[in-house]
Amino acid sequence: DIQMTQSPSSLSASVGDRVTITCRASQNVRNHLNWFQQKPGQAPQLLIYTTSSLHAGVPSRFSGSGSGTSFTLTIRSLQPEDSATYYCQQNFNSPPVFGQGTRLEIK
Amino acid sequence: QVQLVQSGSEVKKPGASVKVSCEASGYTFTSHDFHWVRQAAGQGLEWLGWMNPNSGNTGYAQKFQGRVTMTRDTSISTAYMELSSLRSEDTAVYYCAREVPKYCSGGRCSRAYDYWGQGTLVTVSS
Repeated sequence: DIQMTQSPSSLSASVGDRVTITCRASQNVRNHLNWFQQKPGQAPQLLIYTTSSLHAGVPSRFSGSGSGTSFTLTIRSLQPEDSATYYCQQNFNSPPVFGQGTRLEIK
Repeated sequence: QVQLVQSGSEVKKPGASVKVSCEASGYTFTSHDFHWVRQAAGQGLEWLGWMNPNSGNTGYAQKFQGRVTMTRDTSISTAYMELSSLRSEDTAVYYCAREVPKYCSGGRCSRAYDYWGQGTLVTVSS
Protein backbone atom coordinates (compact mmCIF):
# COMPACT_ATOMS: atom_id res chain seq x y z
CA ASP A 1 0.00 0.00 0.00
CA ILE A 2 1.07 3.58 -0.62
CA GLN A 3 1.83 5.45 2.59
CA MET A 4 0.92 9.12 2.97
CA THR A 5 2.81 11.27 5.46
CA GLN A 6 1.76 14.78 6.38
CA SER A 7 3.80 17.44 8.12
CA PRO A 8 3.50 19.06 10.47
CA SER A 9 1.03 17.08 12.58
CA SER A 10 -0.21 20.31 14.08
CA LEU A 11 0.47 24.01 13.80
CA SER A 12 -0.71 27.28 15.19
CA ALA A 13 -0.89 30.47 13.16
CA SER A 14 -2.45 33.90 13.28
CA VAL A 15 -5.17 35.46 11.20
CA GLY A 16 -3.63 36.80 8.01
CA ASP A 17 -0.68 34.39 8.05
CA ARG A 18 0.32 32.13 5.17
CA VAL A 19 0.36 28.43 6.06
CA THR A 20 1.79 25.46 4.20
CA ILE A 21 1.06 21.79 4.87
CA THR A 22 3.12 19.09 3.20
CA CYS A 23 2.03 15.63 2.12
CA ARG A 24 4.50 13.01 0.91
CA ALA A 25 3.63 9.73 -0.79
CA SER A 26 5.77 6.61 -0.50
CA GLN A 27 5.34 6.02 -4.24
CA ASN A 28 4.58 8.12 -7.29
CA VAL A 29 0.88 9.04 -7.31
CA ARG A 30 1.23 11.41 -10.28
CA ASN A 31 -1.30 14.18 -9.62
CA HIS A 32 -3.95 11.94 -8.02
CA LEU A 33 -3.92 13.79 -4.74
CA ASN A 34 -6.85 15.36 -2.91
CA TRP A 35 -7.11 17.57 0.17
CA PHE A 36 -9.97 17.55 2.67
CA GLN A 37 -10.88 19.88 5.50
CA GLN A 38 -12.62 18.57 8.59
CA LYS A 39 -14.03 20.68 11.38
CA PRO A 40 -14.95 19.17 14.77
CA GLY A 41 -18.16 17.20 14.67
CA GLN A 42 -18.47 17.46 10.91
CA ALA A 43 -17.81 15.21 7.96
CA PRO A 44 -14.70 15.94 5.89
CA GLN A 45 -15.20 18.28 2.97
CA LEU A 46 -13.35 18.26 -0.32
CA LEU A 47 -11.06 21.27 -0.70
CA ILE A 48 -8.76 20.49 -3.60
CA TYR A 49 -8.75 17.64 -6.09
CA THR A 50 -6.18 16.41 -8.59
CA THR A 51 -3.43 18.26 -6.71
CA SER A 52 -4.39 21.83 -7.56
CA SER A 53 -8.03 22.20 -8.61
CA LEU A 54 -10.29 24.02 -6.18
CA HIS A 55 -13.59 22.31 -5.39
CA ALA A 56 -16.69 24.42 -5.99
CA GLY A 57 -17.24 27.07 -3.34
CA VAL A 58 -13.78 26.80 -1.81
CA PRO A 59 -12.20 30.23 -1.22
CA SER A 60 -9.34 31.17 -3.50
CA ARG A 61 -6.96 31.61 -0.54
CA PHE A 62 -6.58 27.81 -0.65
CA SER A 63 -4.21 26.38 -3.22
CA GLY A 64 -2.46 23.09 -3.90
CA SER A 65 0.65 22.12 -5.77
CA GLY A 66 3.07 19.26 -6.35
CA SER A 67 3.35 16.05 -8.28
CA GLY A 68 4.72 12.56 -7.95
CA THR A 69 5.52 12.12 -4.27
CA SER A 70 5.52 15.62 -2.82
CA PHE A 71 2.51 17.90 -2.43
CA THR A 72 1.59 21.05 -0.56
CA LEU A 73 -1.58 22.73 0.58
CA THR A 74 -1.19 26.47 1.07
CA ILE A 75 -3.60 28.79 2.80
CA ARG A 76 -2.77 32.42 2.34
CA SER A 77 -4.29 35.13 4.51
CA LEU A 78 -5.54 32.71 7.16
CA GLN A 79 -9.08 33.26 8.44
CA PRO A 80 -10.62 32.18 11.77
CA GLU A 81 -12.90 29.70 9.99
CA ASP A 82 -9.86 27.86 8.63
CA SER A 83 -9.32 26.25 12.03
CA ALA A 84 -9.69 22.56 11.20
CA THR A 85 -7.84 19.34 10.51
CA TYR A 86 -6.58 18.86 6.97
CA TYR A 87 -6.08 15.50 5.29
CA CYS A 88 -4.44 14.55 2.04
CA GLN A 89 -5.49 11.41 0.18
CA GLN A 90 -4.03 9.64 -2.82
CA ASN A 91 -6.37 7.95 -5.26
CA PHE A 92 -3.80 6.66 -7.73
CA ASN A 93 -3.81 3.15 -6.35
CA SER A 94 -6.13 1.16 -4.14
CA PRO A 95 -6.42 1.46 -1.20
CA PRO A 96 -6.95 5.23 -1.35
CA VAL A 97 -4.98 6.03 1.78
CA PHE A 98 -5.30 9.24 3.77
CA GLY A 99 -2.50 11.09 5.47
CA GLN A 100 -2.66 11.19 9.26
CA GLY A 101 -3.96 14.74 9.30
CA THR A 102 -2.66 18.20 10.21
CA ARG A 103 -4.46 20.09 12.92
CA LEU A 104 -4.46 23.85 12.31
CA GLU A 105 -5.17 26.16 15.22
CA ILE A 106 -5.77 29.87 14.88
CA LYS A 107 -4.03 31.88 17.58
CA GLN B 1 -29.01 19.37 -4.50
CA VAL B 2 -26.95 16.29 -3.78
CA GLN B 3 -27.45 14.83 -0.33
CA LEU B 4 -26.26 11.69 1.42
CA VAL B 5 -28.25 10.96 4.56
CA GLN B 6 -27.07 8.22 6.87
CA SER B 7 -28.90 6.17 9.45
CA GLY B 8 -28.72 6.97 13.13
CA SER B 9 -26.32 5.97 15.87
CA GLU B 10 -26.00 2.35 16.87
CA VAL B 11 -24.85 0.59 20.03
CA LYS B 12 -23.77 -3.01 19.57
CA LYS B 13 -22.26 -5.74 21.67
CA PRO B 14 -18.97 -7.36 20.74
CA GLY B 15 -19.48 -10.08 18.17
CA ALA B 16 -22.63 -8.52 16.74
CA SER B 17 -23.10 -6.94 13.31
CA VAL B 18 -24.14 -3.44 12.31
CA LYS B 19 -25.65 -2.23 9.06
CA VAL B 20 -25.39 1.46 8.21
CA SER B 21 -27.44 2.99 5.42
CA CYS B 22 -26.71 5.95 3.18
CA GLU B 23 -29.65 7.38 1.23
CA ALA B 24 -28.72 9.44 -1.80
CA SER B 25 -30.78 12.17 -3.43
CA GLY B 26 -30.35 14.95 -5.94
CA TYR B 27 -28.62 12.91 -8.63
CA THR B 28 -28.82 9.55 -10.43
CA PHE B 29 -27.98 7.00 -7.74
CA THR B 30 -26.26 4.56 -10.09
CA SER B 31 -23.95 7.14 -11.65
CA HIS B 32 -21.19 7.22 -9.06
CA ASP B 33 -19.41 4.84 -6.72
CA PHE B 34 -19.85 4.92 -2.96
CA HIS B 35 -16.94 4.70 -0.59
CA TRP B 36 -17.03 4.12 3.15
CA VAL B 37 -14.58 5.73 5.55
CA ARG B 38 -14.46 5.55 9.32
CA GLN B 39 -12.95 7.67 12.06
CA ALA B 40 -12.36 6.65 15.64
CA ALA B 41 -12.56 9.39 18.24
CA GLY B 42 -9.60 11.75 17.92
CA GLN B 43 -8.11 9.68 15.11
CA GLY B 44 -7.65 9.99 11.36
CA LEU B 45 -9.66 8.73 8.42
CA GLU B 46 -9.62 5.03 7.55
CA TRP B 47 -10.92 3.68 4.25
CA LEU B 48 -13.11 0.55 4.35
CA GLY B 49 -14.04 -0.03 0.73
CA TRP B 50 -16.12 0.95 -2.28
CA MET B 51 -19.21 -0.16 -4.15
CA ASN B 52 -20.45 0.50 -7.66
CA PRO B 53 -24.21 1.01 -7.24
CA ASN B 54 -24.91 0.12 -10.86
CA SER B 55 -23.20 -3.27 -11.00
CA GLY B 56 -22.98 -4.00 -7.29
CA ASN B 57 -19.26 -4.62 -7.66
CA THR B 58 -17.26 -4.01 -4.52
CA GLY B 59 -13.69 -3.69 -3.29
CA TYR B 60 -12.68 -3.87 0.35
CA ALA B 61 -9.65 -2.88 2.35
CA GLN B 62 -7.64 -5.96 3.19
CA LYS B 63 -8.03 -5.22 6.89
CA PHE B 64 -11.80 -5.66 6.64
CA GLN B 65 -11.98 -8.52 4.14
CA GLY B 66 -14.40 -11.13 5.41
CA ARG B 67 -16.04 -8.75 7.88
CA VAL B 68 -17.45 -5.98 5.68
CA THR B 69 -20.19 -6.20 3.07
CA MET B 70 -21.35 -3.31 0.91
CA THR B 71 -24.67 -3.55 -0.88
CA ARG B 72 -27.32 -1.31 -2.34
CA ASP B 73 -31.03 -1.05 -3.06
CA THR B 74 -31.42 0.94 -6.23
CA SER B 75 -35.21 1.17 -5.80
CA ILE B 76 -34.70 3.47 -2.82
CA SER B 77 -31.33 4.96 -3.79
CA THR B 78 -29.66 3.61 -0.69
CA ALA B 79 -26.22 2.14 -0.11
CA TYR B 80 -25.42 -0.06 2.86
CA MET B 81 -22.31 -1.02 4.78
CA GLU B 82 -22.47 -4.00 7.09
CA LEU B 83 -19.65 -4.82 9.48
CA SER B 84 -19.72 -8.11 11.37
CA SER B 85 -17.87 -9.65 14.31
CA LEU B 86 -17.70 -6.24 15.94
CA ARG B 87 -15.05 -5.48 18.53
CA SER B 88 -14.39 -2.46 20.68
CA GLU B 89 -11.84 -1.15 18.17
CA ASP B 90 -14.66 -0.77 15.63
CA THR B 91 -16.18 2.03 17.69
CA ALA B 92 -16.07 4.97 15.30
CA VAL B 93 -18.03 7.34 13.13
CA TYR B 94 -18.72 5.74 9.77
CA TYR B 95 -19.11 7.92 6.69
CA CYS B 96 -20.35 7.22 3.20
CA ALA B 97 -19.01 9.38 0.40
CA ARG B 98 -19.76 9.77 -3.27
CA GLU B 99 -16.77 9.38 -5.54
CA VAL B 100 -16.66 11.20 -8.88
CA PRO B 101 -14.11 11.25 -11.66
CA LYS B 102 -12.34 14.60 -11.81
CA TYR B 103 -9.65 14.49 -14.44
CA CYS B 104 -9.09 11.78 -17.00
CA SER B 105 -5.94 11.26 -19.02
CA GLY B 106 -4.56 8.25 -20.82
CA GLY B 107 -7.56 6.15 -19.88
CA ARG B 108 -7.12 6.80 -16.17
CA CYS B 109 -9.09 9.20 -14.01
CA SER B 110 -8.25 10.93 -10.80
CA ARG B 111 -11.23 10.82 -8.46
CA ALA B 112 -12.50 12.59 -5.38
CA TYR B 113 -15.18 12.35 -2.72
CA ASP B 114 -17.29 15.39 -3.43
CA TYR B 115 -20.21 14.66 -1.11
CA TRP B 116 -20.22 12.94 2.27
CA GLY B 117 -22.91 11.67 4.56
CA GLN B 118 -23.23 13.22 8.00
CA GLY B 119 -21.69 10.19 9.67
CA THR B 120 -23.07 7.39 11.83
CA LEU B 121 -21.63 6.70 15.27
CA VAL B 122 -21.25 2.99 15.95
CA THR B 123 -20.40 2.15 19.53
CA VAL B 124 -19.30 -1.38 20.39
CA SER B 125 -19.55 -2.06 24.09
CA SER B 126 -20.48 -4.92 26.35
